[in-house]
This record gives sequence, structure tokens and C-alpha cells, in this order.
Amino acid sequence: EVQLVQSRAELKKPGEDLKISCKASGYSFTTYWIGWVRQIPGKGLEWLGIIYPGDSDTRYSPSFQGQVTISADNSINTAYLQWSRLEASDTAMYYCAKTSSDNWFDTWGQGTQVIVSS
Amino acid sequence: DIVMTQSPDSLAVSLGERATISCKSSRSVFYTSNTKNYLAWYQQKPGQPPKVLIYWASTRESGVPDRFSGSGSRTDFTLTISSLQPEDVAVYYCQQYHTSPWTFGQGTTVEIK
Repeated sequence: EVQLVQSRAELKKPGEDLKISCKASGYSFTTYWIGWVRQIPGKGLEWLGIIYPGDSDTRYSPSFQGQVTISADNSINTAYLQWSRLEASDTAMYYCAKTSSDNWFDTWGQGTQVIVSS
Repeated sequence: DIVMTQSPDSLAVSLGERATISCKSSRSVFYTSNTKNYLAWYQQKPGQPPKVLIYWASTRESGVPDRFSGSGSRTDFTLTISSLQPEDVAVYYCQQYHTSPWTFGQGTTVEIK
């Protein structure tokens, strides 16, 4: 069974750094894109970016370029989303999702809630 | 970026009636090389991650009830629920995967009238 299991919820202060994870199982990790999607409470889905673990090719939405970093560790089939300096506006649910062979998202993680508050 | 615009933002439909959601893209999401539209539809129920319903604009994902159908091409697309059931109450999103960033529509909330 294809599964994406995300790390637990986080409560952080503005200015802190954070790295959340998405562990994949049940498929060949290096041969499908993994993307990250943000959902602010009560709002819609926003595409942050994607990574192809096979060659680390990474694409970002211009809206999030420079704000987050996406990476992957193929040795443990895990993708990451990280921030160097969190802001209150980063408070949201973050989903990872695996693409199909043709790039729609066919499997989603359960989501990681990130709360940034002083 | 390709901007995806859904309408309406919300709709209330009686059980057993048809629900229709429109999605328009600011540029064509059709590739002439393979004659495919790079458009997917997702359903998100409260407290859950999204789930894909339709891809290639009209191909139903395995296990999705046949009351869900997708149509359209290039810049204009439609998701239709032919006979609304209680379990269809959700927010529905279209997404183009033609050009990075693979943008989503703003979502349409479907409720029971």
C-alpha cells in the first residue's frame, strides 16, 4: 500500500526554524515527484513546490521561492519542507503528496499542522 | 502562473439532484502532442486531506463513484455530480498540472439544500 506519513504538529515562535517530514512507503521513492501544499485555516490549497528524489530536481512556486526549502533523503524515503525563520503567516496545515506518473497528486499525507505564535 | 478560477464559490443542492462546478484556466492546459488536458479534480472533506476524483479532465480515479464526471478542454472545464449524496458534502478543487507552478482553483463548497 502506498503511504505518506507526515511528522507531528508543531508549535513554534516567530523567528524559529523548522523542518517537517513526509515518509513514503509502498512505492519506488525516487521515481515519482513529491509536492508540498499549504492550507491556511478555512482557506484553499496552495502549491508550494515539488521535488523529484531521483535527481533532486526541485521546482518552487514563485510565491514561495526563497521562503521555504524542499529536500529529500533517498536513504530513508523521506521528503522535507523547511523554514529558516518562521512568521505568524506560516501558520497552516501542510500536506505532502505524491504524483502519479503523469503528475496529478494521487496520494496525500495526513497533514502536519504548523502554528507560529509568540 | 496559470490562474484557475472556479465558480460558484459555493452551492447548495438537494439530495439526488445534479451539482455542477466550473473551472476556467487563464491559459490552455491542453498538450497537442498527446491530446490531453492536464486538469485534475480533488475532493476534500472536513478534517481530511484532498483526494483525487478525476484526472486528464475526464478520467475517473479507480474507486470513484460514477456519479462524478469531468468534461471540458483547453481552458474551460466542468465537474458534475449527477445525483448528490450526503457523503458528497465537501470542498472541490480543480488543479492544472500542465505548467509549474501546478496551481489550484480557490475551491467550491458543496452543501445539501
